[in-house]
Amino acid sequence: GAVVSQHPSRVICKSGTSVKIECRSLDFQATTMFWYRQFPKQSLMLMATSNEGSKATYEQGVEKDKFLINHASLTLSTLTVTSAHPEDSSFYICSAWPQVLQKLDTQYFGPGTRLTVL
Amino acid sequence: DAKTTQPPSMDCAEGRAANLPCNHSTISGNEYVYWYRQIHSQGPQYIIHGLKNNETNEMASLIITEDRKSSTLILPHATLRDTAVYYCIAAYNALTFGKGTMLLVSP
Repeated sequence: GAVVSQHPSRVICKSGTSVKIECRSLDFQATTMFWYRQFPKQSLMLMATSNEGSKATYEQGVEKDKFLINHASLTLSTLTVTSAHPEDSSFYICSAWPQVLQKLDTQYFGPGTRLTVL
Repeated sequence: DAKTTQPPSMDCAEGRAANLPCNHSTISGNEYVYWYRQIHSQGPQYIIHGLKNNETNEMASLIITEDRKSSTLILPHATLRDTAVYYCIAAYNALTFGKGTMLLVSP
C-alpha cells in the first residue's frame, strides 16, 4: 500500500509554455499533499502545501502565480508551471499525507517528474 | 522543523550493519523523527519514524535516545541496493530535508 504516482515522469517543453504535473495517491486518500523541487546535487526544497478544497500555502520565495496548485480531490493534486523558463528545469516531487492517522501516519512520495525547459 | 545534523558520507561493507547517526538537539515535544532515503533520480522512500520509543520494521530499526536529542538508523544487513542518500528529519507536519548522509555499501 501507500503508493503515490506522478505523471508525466519526464517532460521537455519550450520556453514560455505551461506544463501540468499530476500527483495521485493510488490506494489511500490524502487530505494534504506537498510539492517539492530538487536541483542537481541538492536536497529537496518544499515549494507548497496543498490541502484538498482550499488554496495552497506557498513557501517563501515561491511564486504562486507561476506555480499553480490545484487539489480538487482527496487523491489528486496538480502542479502547473506557467510560462516555463530554463531556470524552472528541475526534478519536481510530490508527497501525500494519508487522511486518517493510522498505521500510514507519514508522508509518501511520488517517483518525481523531470522537467526540462529548452 | 528542528534542524538535524548528519555526517555527509559513510561507508559500509555488504552484509554488515549500517548505523547512521543523526543529531536533533532542538527537537520539540510533538516532532517525530523520520528517516527517508533517496536513490539517484527517484522520489524519497519512507524507511521508518518514531516519537519516543525505539521502532523496528522490515527495513530498519530506529533507536532514539531518551532525551530525544539524537537517533540512529540501523540497517541490520546492508546490501548494495541500500546505497543511497539517507535523510533524517525532525518534523510534525511538512518535512524539511537537509543534506543527508550518502551511504555507500561496497562488496
